[in-house]
Amino acid sequence: GAGVSQSPRYKVAKRGQDVALRCDPISGHVSLFWYQQALGQGPEFLTYFQNEAQLDKSGLPSDRFFAERPEGSVSTLKIQRTQQEDSAVYLCASSLVRLSGANVLTFGAGSRLTVL
Amino acid sequence: AQSVSQHNHHVILSEAASLELGCNYSYGGTVNLFWYVQYPGQHLQLLLKYFSGDPLVKGIKGFEAEFIKSKFSFNLRKPSVQWSDTAEYFCAVNGGFKTIFGAGTRLFVKA
Repeated sequence: GAGVSQSPRYKVAKRGQDVALRCDPISGHVSLFWYQQALGQGPEFLTYFQNEAQLDKSGLPSDRFFAERPEGSVSTLKIQRTQQEDSAVYLCASSLVRLSGANVLTFGAGSRLTVL
Repeated sequence: AQSVSQHNHHVILSEAASLELGCNYSYGGTVNLFWYVQYPGQHLQLLLKYFSGDPLVKGIKGFEAEFIKSKFSFNLRKPSVQWSDTAEYFCAVNGGFKTIFGAGTRLFVKA
């Protein structure tokens, strides 16, 4: 597609529910990133994929967070047993470049998760 | 560990005023530096970037930024702001594959 597509745009979950957030990157983009943006903060790195390989998951806040990109294109971020502190906007970004600092990120609109 | 510090969380200016947003980073090696912008209701998008070469870089909409290595700074400037520059601005640094963002500066330009 022309841009990075994320769904759902808004998700309200009850505490303890599992949620899945989807990211469809720009076609051909090798690198895919997930970020968490809490209210009033900048995006915080969660995890990075190069094609289907998850090369860094150091930013995932707990083992309740899991991300995958099985075929090297669409990615899903799953949060199990959601907690109120998980409420945030989850941003997906993709980049044409492989392992390199010269990564210009193209962001999606984000998925806003509210946990009640 | 890499980190980025933005000096102001909120800035209010009148149209035609000059803008300078401060950004300092912490990283020991070679870095690539970015400013991203988020206009109301829109996605985060690239404003400008520095990879190497001339430390004064120009971006879209008349914005520029200067990389001062000795000060670990990458401040964003615009000589004369417009109402349409109202947005949130994020400074970011990348020393490998991971881009680290600052907390952002909300700019409001009064018409």
